[in-house]
Amino acid sequence: GESVGLHLPTLSVQEGDNSIINCAYSNSASDYFIWYKQESGKGPQFIIDIRSNMDKRQGQRVTVLLNKTVKHLSLQIAATQPGDSAVYFCAEKDRGNNDMRFGAGTRLTVKP
Amino acid sequence: EAGVTQFPSHSVIEKGQTVTLRCDPISGHDNLYWYRRVMGKEIKFLLHFVKESKQDESGMPNNRFLAERTGGTYSTLKVQPAELEDSGVYFCASSPLGAGYNEQFFGPGTRLTVL
Repeated sequence: GESVGLHLPTLSVQEGDNSIINCAYSNSASDYFIWYKQESGKGPQFIIDIRSNMDKRQGQRVTVLLNKTVKHLSLQIAATQPGDSAVYFCAEKDRGNNDMRFGAGTRLTVKP
Repeated sequence: EAGVTQFPSHSVIEKGQTVTLRCDPISGHDNLYWYRRVMGKEIKFLLHFVKESKQDESGMPNNRFLAERTGGTYSTLKVQPAELEDSGVYFCASSPLGAGYNEQFFGPGTRLTVL
């Protein structure tokens, strides 16, 4: 069936380094993608989104890259800080559905 | 602006009991969604309300789960009777109506433990 998944369940980086979190999806009809950050005890928090008519979008310290050819999504965090430690979820939806489909999540740990 | 709120934050019940979870969406958001994350797995969609109407309930696991949104404001999700596999974190999200792509705003979740 259609699924959204993550390549790595955990990622540990040094403070100040750049982080890259990857996500694969299989639904070719997906046209909207979001990265969420979830800190302990909180709900998922929106980080950045991208539509399928784009291949790159930048925010503050974050960049999302979309490769529709291989159905791959990545989140890049520049100069990772301890406050970036959290679980990161990619999610996708297509025009035919209102629900978001999430991956299992990647836990990012930032070492001081 | 107040965010999505959920009550309770934690609930521990015994198998066979009933539990009701509540979600208050952001004021004015007509879309309301319920999701569930079980045992560290991916967050899975349960159902979607538009105002008081169920738009999509394809993710509801079985008839032990009943969601309502009377009046189109807050929503409740009742599990009756609860089973061990129902344990997990239940998230509610809301978004405004309208064309285009809308970010869903999530609540903090209710952690349900069924013993």
